[in-house]
Order: sequence, then C-alpha cells, then structure tokens
Amino acid sequence: GAVVSQHPSRVICKSGTSVKIECRSLDFQATTMFWYRQFPKQSLMLMATSNEGSKATYEQGVEKDKFLINHASLTLSTLTVTSAHPEDSSFYICSARDGEDSPLHFGNGTRLTVT
Amino acid sequence: QKEVEQNSGPLSVPEGAIASLNCTYSDRGSQSFFWYRQYSGKSPELIMFIYSNGDKEDGRFTAQLNKASQYVSLLIRDSQPSDSATYLCAVNKGTGFQKLVFGTGTRLLVSP
Repeated sequence: GAVVSQHPSRVICKSGTSVKIECRSLDFQATTMFWYRQFPKQSLMLMATSNEGSKATYEQGVEKDKFLINHASLTLSTLTVTSAHPEDSSFYICSARDGEDSPLHFGNGTRLTVT
Repeated sequence: QKEVEQNSGPLSVPEGAIASLNCTYSDRGSQSFFWYRQYSGKSPELIMFIYSNGDKEDGRFTAQLNKASQYVSLLIRDSQPSDSATYLCAVNKGTGFQKLVFGTGTRLLVSP
C-alpha cells in the first residue's frame, strides 16, 4: 500500500526559530499533498494543499508567510514553521493520495513543541 | 453546525461485543466517506471508505452510509482491546477527493 514518510517525528525548538518538516511519498508519486494540524483532543484541521511545481493553497485563517510550503518534486513536500511561537506547538501531519480516486494516507506526524 | 459531527464518547464495550460508531455530516454534496483509527499520539490510519449508499464489509468492520439521512456509521464486530482508539469520521469537501473534513472523533474503549 501507499507509504507516506514524515520527518522528524518530534522536534523541540525555541521561540523565534524556524522548523522544517519533510513529507515523502515512498512508493508513489504525489502531485498533491495535504498538511494537517491537530491540537490536543481536537480533530485534524487542514492547513494547506501542497501542489507540485506551483504555489500551495492555504485554508482560511492559515498564514502563508508563517507556514511556508514547498513541493519541489513528485515525492517531497516540506512545511517550514517560521518564527515559531508556543501557540504553534501542535501535531503536524502530512498526507497524500496515490491516485485521483484513492483515499488519503497519512505520515506518522511531527510533534512540534515550541518553548 | 459542524460539518462533521461525532459523539466524543468514550464508548465502552466489552470484549467480543459489537461497537457502533456514528457520524453525521452537513454537506449534502459530499461524495466519499472515510473512517480512520487514531491511537493516542499517533497519526490516523485508514480503516475503511465508502462511496455508495448501503453497507460495505471488510473483515470485522462494516461501514454503513445513508446519504438521505446524511449519516455514516462504522460497526466493529468481535471488538478487541486492541481496537481501543479514537475513530475519526472524514468526509470529502468539494468535488472529487481533494480535501477531507474530519470530525472530532469518538473514543472507543474495549474492556477485556
């Protein structure tokens, strides 16, 4: 089945620094990847849709200048949290489909803690 | 009204029983419906998906969809303690399968 790999699984950073999270599709090509965020005891919220070779599409209320997304190849999308603050501490999860009619498969997620 | 609603639970069932998880959605144009299982601290994993009205069975799991009532459910037969997790209902948003909107999940506890 489709495998989505995410790295790192856990990161702790200081307030004001930037953190990059990588999402890779291991056995398929993904023209589109999706980035979700999940706060404790809440559901997954879609942040943005990452499109290979073009700009990402951000959901309402998500700051594109703070959450930089780059989808430079068919197997890699990155999310950079710039100038992180404690309120950005969350569980970030990427996902991708291995076909137009296929359901989403999720990476293992990245637990970000900003101190 | 939330786009996807689930009872947060916890739903407690004894081992071997049938667990019934329910989900309602507000967008009548929704076309595809998914159930994900999420263990604490982990990312969701796909259990089942259903596109057409009726039932769809896969092993111990049965998904049921009623588009007229905007209702989708997941039945887990012969529940095991390892089934204890949060079950997320997700519905596609817009045309195709581009985006998923998730419910807040129902926590299931299966006691030995």
